[in-house]
Amino acid sequence: RKEVEQDPGPFNVPEGATVAFNCTYSNSASQSFFWYRQDCRKEPKLLMSVYSSGNEDGRFTAQLNRASQYISLLIRDSKLSDSATYLCVVTAGNAGGTSYGKLTFGQGTILTVHP
Amino acid sequence: ETGVTQTPRHLVMGMTNKKSLKCEQHLGHNAMYWYKQSAKKPLELMFVYNFKEQTENNSVPSRFSPECPNSSHLFLHLHTLQPEDSALYLCASSFGTGSGQPQHFGDGTRLSIL
Repeated sequence: RKEVEQDPGPFNVPEGATVAFNCTYSNSASQSFFWYRQDCRKEPKLLMSVYSSGNEDGRFTAQLNRASQYISLLIRDSKLSDSATYLCVVTAGNAGGTSYGKLTFGQGTILTVHP
Repeated sequence: ETGVTQTPRHLVMGMTNKKSLKCEQHLGHNAMYWYKQSAKKPLELMFVYNFKEQTENNSVPSRFSPECPNSSHLFLHLHTLQPEDSALYLCASSFGTGSGQPQHFGDGTRLSIL
């Protein structure tokens, strides 16, 4: 089983649509969770951290379900500029071990927003 | 634009060549990382340095040799690479290696092995 698993997509949605991405992780000791965004042929950039209570940043809402080891990202009112690959990222919580803080990336979900 | 600068942006080399990738961060971070991104595969962590000391080598072949002279600079020395080493190599940095510290990435070096 992959450590971090995402639906690779691609998701093709019209402008203004709402789209949701899901991610599952296998390490129950994972402590920190992020969504990164990667544009074509560019570097990954932090989109938002994911907190236990869920958090929102403008049109983006992230949710975490520790019991199910599941993370989600909801994008409302999609813009053309949202087209990118969205990477689910998890860090282990193995305090004292070398894996502490190590980022593990999912393969990414491709989103294309069209006019 | 980015606080993490990588050079060169593109590199084509033969299997017998020796080359080096360079990364410099201007963010005051003390941890630096090398990642490999191959087509249709997740980013793979290669090496981690914290305060110039290597804290992780993720079973990387010895044909990749990292060097971290200080907290702001990181190199990846390459020699006798294989065609399957063709990939995007990304450098990242963060404030420490603790869980919860987001990493900032450079633009990457796109490496092609002939």
